[in-house]
Amino acid sequence: AQTVTQSQPEMSVQEAETVTLSCTYDTSESNYYLFWYKQPPSRQMILVIRQEAYKQQNATENRFSVNFQKAAKSFSLKISDSQLGDTAMYFCAFMSGAGGTSYGKLTFGQGTILTVHP
Amino acid sequence: ETGVTQSPTHLIKTRGQQVTLRCSSQSGHNTVSWYQQALGQGPQFIFQYYREEENGRGNFPPRFSGLQFPNYSSELNVNALELDDSALYLCASSLRDTYEQYFGPGTRLTVT
Repeated sequence: AQTVTQSQPEMSVQEAETVTLSCTYDTSESNYYLFWYKQPPSRQMILVIRQEAYKQQNATENRFSVNFQKAAKSFSLKISDSQLGDTAMYFCAFMSGAGGTSYGKLTFGQGTILTVHP
Repeated sequence: ETGVTQSPTHLIKTRGQQVTLRCSSQSGHNTVSWYQQALGQGPQFIFQYYREEENGRGNFPPRFSGLQFPNYSSELNVNALELDDSALYLCASSLRDTYEQYFGPGTRLTVT
């Protein structure tokens, strides 16, 4: 079974600064997807960024980028130019690729509460 | 395009009762997954439905059951409620054989 670990229960950052959230995972599969989801206090889970394991290039979405280290099974999220609206719980999640044991099913980490201060 | 909707928003039940939660999938999506999120924790996969059949189940007892209807909407039923069932229940819809899931706002269930 896959596991996802987020070792930072809480993080804080000043507006306009950069913050990095950590995530490690464990799997024996070679084909999989990794995701970062954002859950604001309003509860709606929103996809921030995804990474396909077969791609060596790190994914980037505007101010959000990842550092994907496949050998180390590490998948961190960097938020640049932090904004007040980035305040939320952030979850790292794993999904097997097609044919894998958990394809279509997300395995989440415990989450990191990020607070952006003005 | 209509997003994923869930009803009700909040629900309070007594231990031993039964509850039904509802989810309408995003337009065009044929697969629905349910997750349980305890307070301060990450969501846990309950089960997934595709073409009205269960398509995978997490580590949840049989008193958690579900349905999917021809219009792809879905229900989650929980029998014999226990205090530990208090959680946010999230529904996510997707297209079969794709990896992107779209979440609804959730139903907050409190069992007293």
